[in-house]
Amino acid sequence: NAGVMQNPRHLVRRRGQEARLRCSPMKGHSHVYWYRQLPEEGLKFMVYLQKENIIDESGMPKERFSAEFPKEGPSILRIQQVVRGDSAAYFCASSDIETQYFGPGTRLLVL
Amino acid sequence: GESVGLHLPTLSVQEGDNSIINCAYSNSASDYFIWYKQESGKGPQFIIDIRSNMDKRQGQRVTVLLNKTVKHLSLQIAATQPGDSAVYFCAENVRNQGGKLIFGQGTELSVKP
Repeated sequence: NAGVMQNPRHLVRRRGQEARLRCSPMKGHSHVYWYRQLPEEGLKFMVYLQKENIIDESGMPKERFSAEFPKEGPSILRIQQVVRGDSAAYFCASSDIETQYFGPGTRLLVL
Repeated sequence: GESVGLHLPTLSVQEGDNSIINCAYSNSASDYFIWYKQESGKGPQFIIDIRSNMDKRQGQRVTVLLNKTVKHLSLQIAATQPGDSAVYFCAENVRNQGGKLIFGQGTELSVKP
């Protein structure tokens, strides 16, 4: 029974490039959440999605960031024109009803 | 504002002792709380949760206590082992604010052999 999967695990981008982070939820889970973690800090909520719908994007920066969870395939967090401040660990979680289970994260480094 | 914080950033205990990790929350509308364990380079791992209609819940070697009067949450780990060394986060879900979790800063638990 596979857990939440994320790829890539590590991603290096130069300023101005695009970053695409993927998340496959646990089998049977229809709710996906994205969080960002800066070094030595707690996780900060970004966005909550269900299949084909964004439920809550109150934690997502208004520009350059977008997320989707299509009917088929993984959820994607997309960061356009990355800047050094985007360097962080990005975690995806999924749930069926309430308890959120996290993936291993994608560590983004912007040079 | 809405926030969850931890009293101590680091905690060092002797192997075999009991550990207590504390958490304060500020939103009285929070109705669901979770403790996560995060090891270096990994994602948060679910430990135990508790709803606001309970004041205590036990798992294997762990107990969570909830005091709604003072908005305080604690995680007790019995017979702490070296494998328990990690950063522990409490998180809260605020009623009627959807599924998002609000995380505290974390407490780093170090177990001395």
